[in-house]
Amino acid sequence: KQEVTQIPAALSVPEGENLVLNCSFTDSAIYNLQWFRQDPGKGLTSLLLIQSSQREQTSGRLNASLDKSSGRSTLYIAASQPGDSATYLCAVDSWGKLQFGAGTQVVVTP
Amino acid sequence: DTAVSQTPKYLVTQMGNDKSIKCEQNLGHDTMYWYKQDSKKFLKIMFSYNNKELIINETVPNRFSPKSPDKAHLNLHINSLELGDSAVYFCASSQGSRETYEQYFGPGTRLTVT
Repeated sequence: KQEVTQIPAALSVPEGENLVLNCSFTDSAIYNLQWFRQDPGKGLTSLLLIQSSQREQTSGRLNASLDKSSGRSTLYIAASQPGDSATYLCAVDSWGKLQFGAGTQVVVTP
Repeated sequence: DTAVSQTPKYLVTQMGNDKSIKCEQNLGHDTMYWYKQDSKKFLKIMFSYNNKELIINETVPNRFSPKSPDKAHLNLHINSLELGDSAVYFCASSQGSRETYEQYFGPGTRLTVT
């Protein structure tokens, strides 16, 4: 059974610092891994999708890496801004199902 | 233009009632999903439909019944509502090859059972 863990559960940084969010999963047989952002009371916004054959994906200030063999992914957010404050969710597509981690709640202080 | 929409956004009802949540996507996707986010914010898949056919049915009580009239719509009907059904329900859709399935989520429906 696939289990997805995100560490840390919460993170507070001053504006301008880089953010590093970690995701680990127990079963390396995945189709892809997706990072989402969730704002309070809102739905999920897809940030990046990394296919199982890829090592990383980049979009603007966001960079996500994937190491399938060790069951890890890391989301880097460069030069954080207060608008980056949200909960970040990692999800692995395993046998046709997205399995989510519990999320990392991020606060970026001005 | 809203890609994945859900109605209603909020639903407050009493135990024992029957209610429905509707979902529509205008992305032309073939696959649609229902997820439940509980009070601890943990998201779990409930159902998945591909071209109106049920392909994923997690361990969900029989009181929950999804219906897909066409591939752009996936509704969720809940019978005999219980207190534990209180949660946020998200609809999502995806399209593409297995490795490139990117899921797009609706805004959620907050269900409160009293």
